Amino acid sequence: AQSVTQLDSQVPVFEEAPVELRCNYSSSVSVYLFWYVQYPNQGLQLLLKYLSGSTLVKGINGFEAEFNKSQTSFHLRKPSVHISDTAEYFCAVSEGNAGNMLTFGGGTRLMVKP
Amino acid sequence: DVKVTQSSRYLVKRTGEKVFLECVQDMDHENMFWYRQDPGLGLRLIYFSYDVKMKEKGDIPEGYSVSREKKERFSLILESASTNQTSMYLCASSFTYYEQYFGPGTRLTVT
Repeated sequence: AQSVTQLDSQVPVFEEAPVELRCNYSSSVSVYLFWYVQYPNQGLQLLLKYLSGSTLVKGINGFEAEFNKSQTSFHLRKPSVHISDTAEYFCAVSEGNAGNMLTFGGGTRLMVKP
Repeated sequence: DVKVTQSSRYLVKRTGEKVFLECVQDMDHENMFWYRQDPGLGLRLIYFSYDVKMKEKGDIPEGYSVSREKKERFSLILESASTNQTSMYLCASSFTYYEQYFGPGTRLTVT
């Protein structure tokens, strides 16, 4: 069965600094991988997705993530964060056929300080 | 843009009450989902529906039921609310199971 671990529950960072939010998954088959963002008092919004092809995936708002199959990781990165990036970020995995649901990690709260 | 709306942003109910949470989507999606979100646990799937009148249990269906009488509407029902059902409830819809569009959530407090 698939599972997702987000290693940091909170990540404080200063504005304009780089950030990496870590995500590891476990699955015995091929997977689809996702990052969702939840801004305060809002629902989740898809940030980026890996379905196949290039392991470096670019998303909205300058975020990118890299799929590393050997390390079963899908870490999210941004070279320079803004105050407006303050939100909760969820990593999610779906096993590689359309019949399987999303499994979410516990979330990482990114707190960008001025 | 896909729009998923939920009937209430905040709801306060008493223990034992029957609670209805409604979700409406405007993109003709076949699939609709109900999750609950709790700190540190992420999102956990309660039920999903892949067609009108069709439903499947998710990971934590106990204490909940659902209804889908129309394609655009998916209701979550707490037959007898309990304090351990205090949570944020998120509805989602999609064409595929994995690329889901979420509503703003309903924060339910059961006292």
